[in-house]
Amino acid sequence: AQSVSQHNHHVILSEAASLELGCNYSYGGTVNLFWYVQYPGQHLQLLLKYFSGDPLVKGIKGFEAEFIKSKFSFNLRKPSVQWSDTAEYFCAVIPLGSGNTGKLIFGQGTTLQVKP
Amino acid sequence: EPEVTQTPSHQVTQMGQEVILRCVPISNHLYFYWYRQILGQKVEFLVSFYNNEISEKSEIFDDQFSVERPDGSNFTLKIRSTKLEDSAMYFCASSVKGPQHFGDGTRLSIL
Repeated sequence: AQSVSQHNHHVILSEAASLELGCNYSYGGTVNLFWYVQYPGQHLQLLLKYFSGDPLVKGIKGFEAEFIKSKFSFNLRKPSVQWSDTAEYFCAVIPLGSGNTGKLIFGQGTTLQVKP
Repeated sequence: EPEVTQTPSHQVTQMGQEVILRCVPISNHLYFYWYRQILGQKVEFLVSFYNNEISEKSEIFDDQFSVERPDGSNFTLKIRSTKLEDSAMYFCASSVKGPQHFGDGTRLSIL
């Protein structure tokens, strides 16, 4: 079955530390990849996406992610986190191909807590 | 920036009662989705809707669930006879094609 796995459930960092959140998916075909963020009390917001082309994609607020096809991975990175990055981060995949309707398959989420 | 809006933000209902969750997708979007997130668990796909019909549904979306786009703007999720395990955050999403835009969600609490 298609699934998305996020390696870290809860990450605690100090401000200015570097961040990397792991994400792996299981699907042999072509995918669209996403990272969404959910700030406390707010809705899911798109951080960045990968459809095709350069596997290193840049998103909002200084985030970037790298698609490594051979590893089925799409890890999220930020060189220097801020207290305002405290949120829940979700990796998500849309499997492409016949029969797929654009549904997002989510990972379980990673809670990031940034200490000032 | 246009947004997906959901009402109500919080719904408390007795077990066995019917509940309707409402969503207004972004106006030029064509694809519509419902997801839910049980507390502490991942966001799960429920159903996708395109061209006035369900295009895919998950095994969670059983006969107790239905969706409707009654007037070309609203997109509703109905649970016919709620169960305790239906307590969750329900998210509506819409897209033209590609990234989905999410509403703030409706927190459904079943007593």
